[in-house]
Amino acid sequence: NAGVTQTPKFRVLKTGQSMTLLCAQDMNHEYMYWYRQDPGMGLRLIHYSVGEGTTAKGEVPDGYNVSRLKKQNFLLGLESAAPSQTSVYFCASTCSGRACYNEQFFGPGTRLTVL
Amino acid sequence: AQSVTQLGSHVSVSEGALVLLRCNYSSSVPPYLFWYVQYPNQGLQLLLKYTSAATLVKGINGFEAEFKKSETSFHLTKPSAHMSDAAEYFCAVSYTGGFKTIFGAGTRLFVKA
Repeated sequence: NAGVTQTPKFRVLKTGQSMTLLCAQDMNHEYMYWYRQDPGMGLRLIHYSVGEGTTAKGEVPDGYNVSRLKKQNFLLGLESAAPSQTSVYFCASTCSGRACYNEQFFGPGTRLTVL
Repeated sequence: AQSVTQLGSHVSVSEGALVLLRCNYSSSVPPYLFWYVQYPNQGLQLLLKYTSAATLVKGINGFEAEFKKSETSFHLTKPSAHMSDAAEYFCAVSYTGGFKTIFGAGTRLFVKA
């Protein structure tokens, strides 16, 4: 099993450009998450999904949109990139049963630079 | 509301010395507690978790953590540091029925030869 994969691994954008980050998981997990990691701030939740066709806002949702059209995929979109969105983006997933304990499985990350 | 505080953004130890990374949490309901490790240019991977069973939890690579409800702490320890332990460590809290996990700011561990 590949676990959680993210595409692309690196990207450089100019201010105002748009892009989509793709996350895929092959563990049949119900819940999926997008985080951003910035120095000294840990991981901050951008958006999350508790099932196919559902999404919800996290702690820092402004400037981002998401879609979960298929259970295994969770897309993060930046419509008009800003330098403040320079960060490392992580996707994570977890199963929904009580015995899952919200243990998160992470992808390798996407390093995004906005000039 | 839940929160996590990691004391010390950087910790430096000598190889073979005790590793102690501190984590305090707040939660209005019984928590699930986690330690994740992040090696350079990689994603996070689970080191260990507390899920309301034994209060002393053993994880991978010789790490362990003890849940102390009275102190609202979940400190991570390892008796003898190895160079390969150099990484960033994140404490996190979640709870039954919740969808979200709250992460601490992280502690970067340096191991000196």
